[in-house]
Amino acid sequence: EVQLLESGGDLVQPGGSLRLSCTSSGFTFSMYAMSWVRQAPGKGLDWVSTISGTGGSTYYAASVKGRFTISRDNSKNTLYLQMNSLRAEDTAVYYCAKEPNVGAGGWFDPWGQGTLVTVSS
Amino acid sequence: EIVMTQSPATLSVSPGERATLSCRASQSVSSNLAWYQQKPGQAPSLLIYAASTRATGIPARFSGSGSGTEFTLTISGLQSEDFAVYYCQQYNNWPITFGQGTRLEIK
Repeated sequence: EVQLLESGGDLVQPGGSLRLSCTSSGFTFSMYAMSWVRQAPGKGLDWVSTISGTGGSTYYAASVKGRFTISRDNSKNTLYLQMNSLRAEDTAVYYCAKEPNVGAGGWFDPWGQGTLVTVSS
Repeated sequence: EIVMTQSPATLSVSPGERATLSCRASQSVSSNLAWYQQKPGQAPSLLIYAASTRATGIPARFSGSGSGTEFTLTISGLQSEDFAVYYCQQYNNWPITFGQGTRLEIK
């Protein structure tokens, strides 16, 4: 069974940094692109970033480009999201999700349970 | 950026009836469209990909159709567990974008 487990969410002040992790099991991690999708409280889904299976290709939403960095450690079956210069509008539940292919750009299945990031002073 | 517009925002349907949810793309996404279901307090789960292919384990009462800019998710014989929020997502172009969601509620 494919499982994704996010961690690292916390309360952080505006301008601060946080690193999220997503540990995976049940599949060959390096063979699939992975993504982060967020959901602000009471709002819809908002794609954040995607990384290919090899880590050679990365993609970002305009709202986070230059502030967030997606990465992966295929030896540890773990996906990361380094978030810098955090803003109040980054407050959301952050989900990691598996894509269907090694190349980036597809649907998301499955999703982790999410980790809450709150940016507030 | 491709804008995905879902309608209606809220749909009230009686159990056992059929629900029809719409998703429109601001430009063609071919058949690169997925549908998700999200229940309160849970992560989204995949229902449909490639516009009309049911994900593993999804009941046949869920069906997707359309291509280009117009897409439909139909749920036949609504069951109590189907009342949730539904999102469409295009993966034809970067950035990946979602619709704003349709809330399916019990009438």
